[in-house]
Amino acid sequence: KQEVTQIPAALSVPEGENLVLNCSFTDSAIYNLQWFRQDPGKGLTSLLLIQSSQREQTSGRLNASLDKSSGRSTLYIAASQPGDSATYLCALTQGGSEKLVFGKGTKLTVNP
Amino acid sequence: KAGVTQTPRYLIKTRGQQVTLSCSPISGHRSVSWYQQTPGQGLQFLFEYFSETQRNKGNFPGRFSGRQFSNSRSEMNVSTLELGDSALYLCASSLGVLNTEAFFGQGTRLTVV
Repeated sequence: KQEVTQIPAALSVPEGENLVLNCSFTDSAIYNLQWFRQDPGKGLTSLLLIQSSQREQTSGRLNASLDKSSGRSTLYIAASQPGDSATYLCALTQGGSEKLVFGKGTKLTVNP
Repeated sequence: KAGVTQTPRYLIKTRGQQVTLSCSPISGHRSVSWYQQTPGQGLQFLFEYFSETQRNKGNFPGRFSGRQFSNSRSEMNVSTLELGDSALYLCASSLGVLNTEAFFGQGTRLTVV
């Protein structure tokens, strides 16, 4: 059974710092890996999608990488801002299914 | 381009009642998936519909059911509500072809009292 782990569960950093969020998974036979952001009480906002044949994706200050052989993905946030404060979730699909398997998330707080 | 729309945004129901939640996917998307989010369990997959057919189902009791209409809009029904069904219910829409991005609605907050 696929398990997705995100460590740490919470992270607090000063504004302007570069940071890395980690996501690990137990079964390397995955299709997509997607990073989401969730603000309190709201839905999920898609940040980046890494498809099975790709190793990384970039959007603005965000960069996500995927290493299937080691079962890891990282989300790099450059020059963090207070508006980046949210819970970040990674999720993956496998086996020809649209079903997303989620980690529990990392709650990020960026202090002004 | 309109996003994923979920209605209603908030619901309060009494134990034993039933509830129906609605999800309108992004235009052109044929797959709709439903998830339950609770503080203890995180996000858990309920089921996925594609072209009016249930393609996948998670490990939830039969009280949870769904359907999809010809215009890809989907409804989720929970019968005989229990206190533990209180959660944020999220739906996701995608093209339904492998390796495509999933987009989520704002969710329906269900409180069972």
